[in-house]
This record gives sequence, structure tokens and C-alpha cells, in this order.
Amino acid sequence: GENVEQHPSTLSVQEGDSAVIKCTYSDSASNYFPWYKQELGKRPQLIIDIRSNVGEKKDQRIAVTLNKTAKHFSLHITETQPEDSAVYFCAATLSGTYKYIFGTGTRLKVLA
Amino acid sequence: GAVVSQHPSRVICKSGTSVKIECRSLDFQATTMFWYRQFPKKSLMLMATSNEGSKATYEQGVEKDKFLINHASLTLSTLTVTSAHPEDSSFYICSARMSSTGTGELFFGEGSRLTVL
Repeated sequence: GENVEQHPSTLSVQEGDSAVIKCTYSDSASNYFPWYKQELGKRPQLIIDIRSNVGEKKDQRIAVTLNKTAKHFSLHITETQPEDSAVYFCAATLSGTYKYIFGTGTRLKVLA
Repeated sequence: GAVVSQHPSRVICKSGTSVKIECRSLDFQATTMFWYRQFPKKSLMLMATSNEGSKATYEQGVEKDKFLINHASLTLSTLTVTSAHPEDSSFYICSARMSSTGTGELFFGEGSRLTVL
């Protein structure tokens, strides 16, 4: 089955700097890769996603890149703000199954 | 946007009792719902896939007789933790996908924190 690894587990950056979180997956059949943000005590919320037919997707300060050959994808947050502090989870799934396998999470702290 | 609601948000029970957690899609129909377990500072571990009108599909290592899942309607799935023990204490969270769209996005409930004494 699918296995998703995520690094780093914790990340501290200064406000205004960029943050990068990386994930690798094992199942080459996976073709949908969402990223979720979970604030303390709250539900995970989708922040960006990418499908396997696209190499990069950007939404304002957030971007995701996908390397299908290497089976890894990354989340990039630019101009970080204190409100970006949260736990971020990547996931991989076969589109249509909706069975997400989540990474282990990255706790991001943006220092003011 | 799509809203998924869980109830209760917190529950404390005695060892040996059973606890039911509800997951409702408030403004959309959900053919499929998913149940996860999240340990402190850990990831979301998929427990089972709940399909409306049929038996749930459990992930390897999850006891189906321990964690009973029922998906009786397109807007409601329930997870019952039977004969709960302290090691069942955890954060349980559900998610649902819209039946009418293939975007792939899952919408999550706010989670239910179970404490077994």
C-alpha cells in the first residue's frame, strides 16, 4: 500500500522568510496530492492540491511542486506570517478513491 | 463551503462502556466518509472507509468489532467505540467527500476527543 514520509517534523522560520516542507510517496499509481493545514485544536483544512499531470501549482504565497519520477512533492510558503504557524500534512491518494494516506506532519512556527 | 460536523467534541467515559461519535455532512450528501485516529502531535491514521448503505472497510490492524461504523444515510456516519479502554483515548476525526463532485477534496469534521478513565 501507499506510504508517505514527510520532513521536517518541526520547522521554525523568521517572519517573512520562506518555508519548505517535503513529502515522498511510494505508490506510483497515486495521482492526487493535497496539503492540509491544522491549527491547534481545529480541523484540517485544504490549502492547496496538485494532480499528477501538473508539475507546479501556485496560489498567492503558497505553491506546491511535484516530481513524479522521484515520487516527491513539496509545499512552499513564501513571506511567512505568524498566522501560518500550524501543523501541515501532506497526503497522497489515487484520484477517485479518496483514501488519503497522510504524512507524519510538520509543525511550522513562524517567529515574529 | 461544505461543512462536516462531529458530535460530541469531547467525551469522557468509564472503562468498559461504549461511546458513539456522529459525523454529519450538513450541506451536502456524502456517499463516502472516512474515520481517522490522531494521537497527540501525530498524523491522521485512517481507520476505516464508511460507505452509505454498505459495510465499512477497515484498515489493517483496526478491530472492526471494537470500532463499529454505521453509515445509514447520505449525511450521517457513526463510530461506536465498544467496551472502551484507556488505550482507546484519542482524537477521532471524520472526513467526507461530496457525492456530486470529483475534485478529490475531503472535508473534515472538527474532531472528537475521547478520554477513557
